[in-house]
Amino acid sequence: EAGVVQSPRYKIIEKKQPVAFWCNPISGHNTLYWYLQNLGQGPELLIRYENEEAVDDSQLPKDRFSAERLKGVDSTLKIQPAELGDSAVYLCASSFRGGDEQFFGPGTRLTVL
Amino acid sequence: AQTVTQSQPEMSVQEAETVTLSCTYDTSESDYYLFWYKQPPSRQMILVIRQEAYKQQNATENRFSVNFQKAAKSFSLKISDSQLGDAAMYFCAPGQGGSEKLVFGKGTKLTVNP
Repeated sequence: EAGVVQSPRYKIIEKKQPVAFWCNPISGHNTLYWYLQNLGQGPELLIRYENEEAVDDSQLPKDRFSAERLKGVDSTLKIQPAELGDSAVYLCASSFRGGDEQFFGPGTRLTVL
Repeated sequence: AQTVTQSQPEMSVQEAETVTLSCTYDTSESDYYLFWYKQPPSRQMILVIRQEAYKQQNATENRFSVNFQKAAKSFSLKISDSQLGDAAMYFCAPGQGGSEKLVFGKGTKLTVNP
């Protein structure tokens, strides 16, 4: 069984540029999570989807961050424009349903110059 | 907001020895799950063990076990017969809101010495 797939693994951009991250969850998993992990910290939830509905986006900085999960499968997280402080690892996770074990992808390391 | 405290930023253990990682948390919920995740340098978070708060019996998974003290809101992880492959960051993550949201601690970096 394939795990959670994320791309790209690494991204380097100039500040004020846009950037997008893609996540393909485990087949059949209805719940999808995006986390932000700063260096030396634990992951922090940005947004949680149940199928195609964003049920918890309270921690998502909506002035520059957006996310979508069309058709309730793949998801894209976008930052526009990126700031220096956005440099971090962005993790995607999925579970069969909320509250179950979450399976994580390898993450995307973003560096904003 | 729920807080999670992992008071040991770094720990080290000799191969084949036992080590315990501590975690305390704050919650007003009565029924929830708690998780320990492992994150090796490759960054892939891997579930180590899960505990259901309503169960009094501590969870065990091969060499990994927990000491769950619900009243004290403590959830420590014991690793027996430590192996070199156990070296990683370990994160404690109690669930919130029916465990649909995990709140992660800052992690403990475990080094295993040969």
